[in-house]
Amino acid sequence: GESVGLHLPTLSVQEGDNSIINCAYSNSASDYFIWYKQESGKGPQFIIDIRSNMDKRQGQRVTVLLNKTVKHLSLQIAATQPGDSAVYFCAENYGPDGGTSYGKLTFGQGTILTVHP
Amino acid sequence: GAGVSQTPSNKVTEKGKYVELRCDPISGHTALYWYRQSLGQGPEFLIYFQGTGAADDSGLPNDRFFAVRPEGSVSTLKIQRTERGDSAVYLCASSLFGVGGGNEQFFGPGTRLTVL
Repeated sequence: GESVGLHLPTLSVQEGDNSIINCAYSNSASDYFIWYKQESGKGPQFIIDIRSNMDKRQGQRVTVLLNKTVKHLSLQIAATQPGDSAVYFCAENYGPDGGTSYGKLTFGQGTILTVHP
Repeated sequence: GAGVSQTPSNKVTEKGKYVELRCDPISGHTALYWYRQSLGQGPEFLIYFQGTGAADDSGLPNDRFFAVRPEGSVSTLKIQRTERGDSAVYLCASSLFGVGGGNEQFFGPGTRLTVL
């Protein structure tokens, strides 16, 4: 079946650097995308989302870019801090049979981000 | 305010036993989701409730798995005749609304199930 995947399973950066985490998705019917951060022993934590009618959205220190042409999603973290170290998941949302989505999420495998002080 | 809570945090059981996992969503959230997460993998959708009804149970792996939400709040995931392959972290999430998407899902800390 169609799924969401990640290019890089691990990413190591120095504190203060910018980080970019990439994600490829294959379902052209997906209309909503979310990035989650998951720390060890905790549930996923919402970071930022974007709808398919947008190509960029910014939050606090984070930016999500969506390229529907190549079905690519990225998360940019500015001035990465040690507290950003975690596993990052992208997730896509589409409705059954291409209909209205209702929040059923399909997650990718995840990227481990390690920030060195 | 209180987030999504799940009990127990850890559950160890023997193969063939029955287990129940509980989820308390954020008060007022109409939508509730169960996911399963294996080590090194992203969460995998199991079932979605809108109110008391299961709107989509397509992710339940087989008929040993069942979930209820009788009053539209607390939900219980029930697993019969547990197998070693059921070992995973079971995550619950809730959102204010479900239909239409775009509603932030708040996840609980999960229940780690280990089947010996």
